[in-house]
Amino acid sequence: SQQGEEDPQALSIQEGENATMNCSYKTSINNLQWYRQNSGRGLVHLILIRSNEREKHSGRLRVTLDTSKKSSSLLITASRAADTASYFCAATMDSSYKLIFGSGTRLLVRP
Amino acid sequence: DSGVTQTPKHLITATGQRVTLRCSPRSGDLSVYWYQQSLDQGLQFLIQYYNGEERAKGNILERFSAQQFPDLHSELNLSSLELGDSALYFCASSPRAGGSYNEQFFGPGTRLTVL
Repeated sequence: SQQGEEDPQALSIQEGENATMNCSYKTSINNLQWYRQNSGRGLVHLILIRSNEREKHSGRLRVTLDTSKKSSSLLITASRAADTASYFCAATMDSSYKLIFGSGTRLLVRP
Repeated sequence: DSGVTQTPKHLITATGQRVTLRCSPRSGDLSVYWYQQSLDQGLQFLIQYYNGEERAKGNILERFSAQQFPDLHSELNLSSLELGDSALYFCASSPRAGGSYNEQFFGPGTRLTVL
């Protein structure tokens, strides 16, 4: 079973609004990565944040990490219809560095 | 385009059969990972190879096996297929075996349907 839980499971917003997705995990992590998946297609790597980092930015994406709360959030600003996809957080938690995925958030951006 | 290629894109087969999925990592990447995505289990790690050697094992069934060849491409073999093996199978690659900055880049996946 997955270690990560994401909320909300589904999010519907208007184009131009911001979208925030949250991810919680259960054990200490090495890093946490966010991925986007369009309807049954491949996973696109968005951003990686290390356990000793608190915030990272990439274009319209902002990721925060709170290791004391074992949680991370992904903020997409000024959303576009093309942002419609499922978003997954994935953490590496031990020396193997395999990814443990959350359950994902389905984002719908209405034009 | 991540640079990771997977073939075939789609595979339809019958129960009891055996199939081979193929993955070519990004140029320069030494690690290959296999993941399974199904509706009931979500995305699950199966196995990792680094420079030809098995590095880590996850929830991989005994009916499944994998290997990484000297040219670093990898194959996932699925045998005695069952209906429940129907899923999307992803390959990912990364430069190193691990490390805090070891980003994994995913291929487009192979959709396996077992009838």
